[in-house]
Order: sequence, then C-alpha cells, then structure tokens
Amino acid sequence: EAGVAQSPRYKIIEKRQSVAFWCNPISGHATLYWYQQILGQGPKLLIQFQNNGVVDDSQLPKDRFSAERLKGVDSTLKIQPAKLEDSAVYLCASSLEQDGYTFGSGTRLTVV
Amino acid sequence: KQEVTQIPAALSVPEGENLVLNCSFTDSAIYNLQWFRQDPGKGLTSLLLIQSSQREQTSGRLNASLDKSSGRSTLYIAASQPGDSATYLCAVQGTYKYIFGTGTRLKVLA
Repeated sequence: EAGVAQSPRYKIIEKRQSVAFWCNPISGHATLYWYQQILGQGPKLLIQFQNNGVVDDSQLPKDRFSAERLKGVDSTLKIQPAKLEDSAVYLCASSLEQDGYTFGSGTRLTVV
Repeated sequence: KQEVTQIPAALSVPEGENLVLNCSFTDSAIYNLQWFRQDPGKGLTSLLLIQSSQREQTSGRLNASLDKSSGRSTLYIAASQPGDSATYLCAVQGTYKYIFGTGTRLKVLA
C-alpha cells in the first residue's frame, strides 16, 4: 500500500511570508493528523480531521495557522504570516480506527 | 491528563550490545502503544504496534513489551548496529488521541 505523501520536503521562507504544506493520506484512512515537531522535542498535535471534519484543533495557533481537508482526502496546512519560532518539521499522519499511525516523511520548514 | 516519559534521553553503546529503551505513561486507559524510529530531519517510521490486549510484539531484532497495569513499555534491540542510530519515540493512543514521549536518541558506535 502506498504511504502518506507530503510535499514539499523542504521549505525556506522569510518571516512574515506565507507557506503551505500538502498531505495525501493512505487510501481509506478516515483520520488525518498534522503534527509540529520542533528540534529536540516530540511531535505536537496541531489538528486532527475525521473525514473532512475537525475533531481537535485546540493546539493550532489559529491567528496564523489554518488547515483544511476537502472531500475527506488530501489536506493542506497553511501558515500566514510565518514567525521564526515556526521553524520545525511538519508531519502528516493518517490512521484507520485504532490500527496505529502511519506518518509521511515530513516537511522541514526554516523561517529566516 | 496522559503524560509519556522516555528514559534515557540519550544512549551511546558499542556495536553488538543488546539494549533496552523505556517508555512510561500515567494513564493505563489506552487503545494501543506504538514505537517509532526517526532519523534526523525525517518523518517517523513505525516499528511496532502493540494493542492494549497484547503483551508484546516482535519484528526482527526488535521486541516491544507492554504492561498496562504498571504503565510501562520497553523496546528491546538485540545485537545493535550502527544503522540503528536514530531517535526512538513511543506514543500511546487513548481517547485523548496520540501522546508522544520526547524520545531516546540512540547512537551505536562501530
């Protein structure tokens, strides 16, 4: 089975610019997650989708971050405007009920 | 609130050693526990998934055990190799979704 696809792999932007990340989950996985992982820390959940509905976005900085999952498949995560502290690896994962997570390769964002 | 702790935070061993990584969690009401490997700047690769009804899972040189009552899991790596060098993360899934530990950075010296 194909894995979770993410793009781009790397992105360097200046602060106050905007950036978008894309994720395509494993086919049939209803649940999709976006995580932020700052260097040296464990992943932190930003938002969880069940199909195309938001289940949990309590840790999403909504003043600058937004995410959508149209048609319950692909998802995009956007940051506008970016800050220096947003430099991190952004991980997308999908799951089927309680069968564990499958992660994508991540997008490494550097804000300068 | 679930908290997940991994000990040690970092570990350096000579090639060939058997080693144990520890993961502890505070709330035993979990659906499953999953061990991941992460190479620097990369995504997470799933190593082993243990459902709450299971006691252990094995894959090649890896063995993971789960003791829900004590809130502990261990990842055993046999005959370690330099290619095993990475960060190992455990995550527990419950009604509060997945909570990750901060990981153990492993370095296996040739």
